[in-house]
Amino acid sequence: DSGVTQTPKHLITATGQRVTLRCSPRSGDLSVYWYQQSLDQGLQFLIQYYNGEERAKGNILERFSAQQFPDLHSELNLSSLELGDSALYFCASSRGSWLQETQYFGPGTRLLVL
Amino acid sequence: AQKVTQAQTEISVVEKEDVTLDCVYETRDTTYYLFWYKQPPSGELVFLIRRNSFDEQNEISGRYSWNFQKSTSSFNFTITASQVVDSAVYFCALSDPSNDYKLSFGAGTTVTVRA
Repeated sequence: DSGVTQTPKHLITATGQRVTLRCSPRSGDLSVYWYQQSLDQGLQFLIQYYNGEERAKGNILERFSAQQFPDLHSELNLSSLELGDSALYFCASSRGSWLQETQYFGPGTRLLVL
Repeated sequence: AQKVTQAQTEISVVEKEDVTLDCVYETRDTTYYLFWYKQPPSGELVFLIRRNSFDEQNEISGRYSWNFQKSTSSFNFTITASQVVDSAVYFCALSDPSNDYKLSFGAGTTVTVRA
């Protein structure tokens, strides 16, 4: 158990809908990262937040957004969902702001868009 | 361009055999970091090791060992005396300045250990 929690574990929704994925980092970690794992694209970095501020951006679509709250939990919002958004979404956390630090991953949220 | 190549898509072994997973990376930087993660069938990603480019010492942790060779840009991973619980997908990843240290993952190698 990495100490990173994610809810929900599974999510089934329809095209065009909006969903929110939630992540709580390990105790003491200030950075939260979001990743998408799909069969065709593999594991891709989406975005990093450090202590409430956006720190780094990856291949995140404009339809997706994230934020980190004062209690350091983070939410990833996915809107206007398409079939291709079906994937496993991971949250990870690390102590500081450097992306080269070890990132500890949560169990993931499996999203199925029908 | 693919920065991390894991050429082996799938490896199947019988319990107690050793298995070596290859990882070849590409970077022009002198400072970079390499990682291995394990993804068992349950789906979570488990951190195994982090190595910086200045530390070329090989590492052993129980049945796991890692061979880092800068000369060939490789960071290979060996499981000795494999067990069924080692069945998982193993990912190698690179963090380097040319990508702002964002993690670039390889495609993964699926290891199946048969009893």
